[in-house]
Amino acid sequence: KAGVTQTPRYLIKTRGQQVTLSCSPISGHRSVSWYQQTPGQGLQFLFEYFSETQRNKGNFPGRFSGRQFSNSRSEMNVSTLELGDSALYLCASSLAAGSEQYFGPGTRLTVT
Amino acid sequence: AQSVTQLDSQVPVFEEAPVELRCNYSSSVSVYLFWYVQYPNQGLQLLLKYLSGSTLVESINGFEAEFNKSQTSFHLRKPSVHISDTAEYFCAVENTDKLIFGTGTRLQVFP
Repeated sequence: KAGVTQTPRYLIKTRGQQVTLSCSPISGHRSVSWYQQTPGQGLQFLFEYFSETQRNKGNFPGRFSGRQFSNSRSEMNVSTLELGDSALYLCASSLAAGSEQYFGPGTRLTVT
Repeated sequence: AQSVTQLDSQVPVFEEAPVELRCNYSSSVSVYLFWYVQYPNQGLQLLLKYLSGSTLVESINGFEAEFNKSQTSFHLRKPSVHISDTAEYFCAVENTDKLIFGTGTRLQVFP
């Protein structure tokens, strides 16, 4: 069974631009969560989607948004990029709420 | 609010020596606890988990962790480490379907 895939793996953007990251969960998994990992703040929860509905949201500004499609694939969008948005963005999928989460390799975003 | 504390940011150890990575959590309710490992330039891999039942949980590569409710701890141990165990280790607690992570412990194994 294929694991969680994230595209692109690496991305360089400039301040003010917007970016969209994609996550394909493990087949059959309906829950997708997003996390941001930075050296300063560590791993922080962004949001979680289940059956196309956002069920949980972390403490991030409204510039961070996401969505989930009917096939459970998820995208996250960051608008008006800031230097501090440079991070590894990790996606995790699980069968259902509260079950074990499996992580993808991440998308490394660099904002210049 | 739940939180996770990993007191040691780095743990250097020689190959074949034992190691313990410490994790303490704060929670007033039942918890699910996890240890994840992250190798350079990779995502997180689940190492082991405690959901219920036996307080001692083991992974397939020789790591084990013990859930201690009275001390609110979930320390990770391995009796004999290998060079390939060099990685970052994260302890996490699940809270309303999201994971709350500790700041991580960098395990560096020297030959």
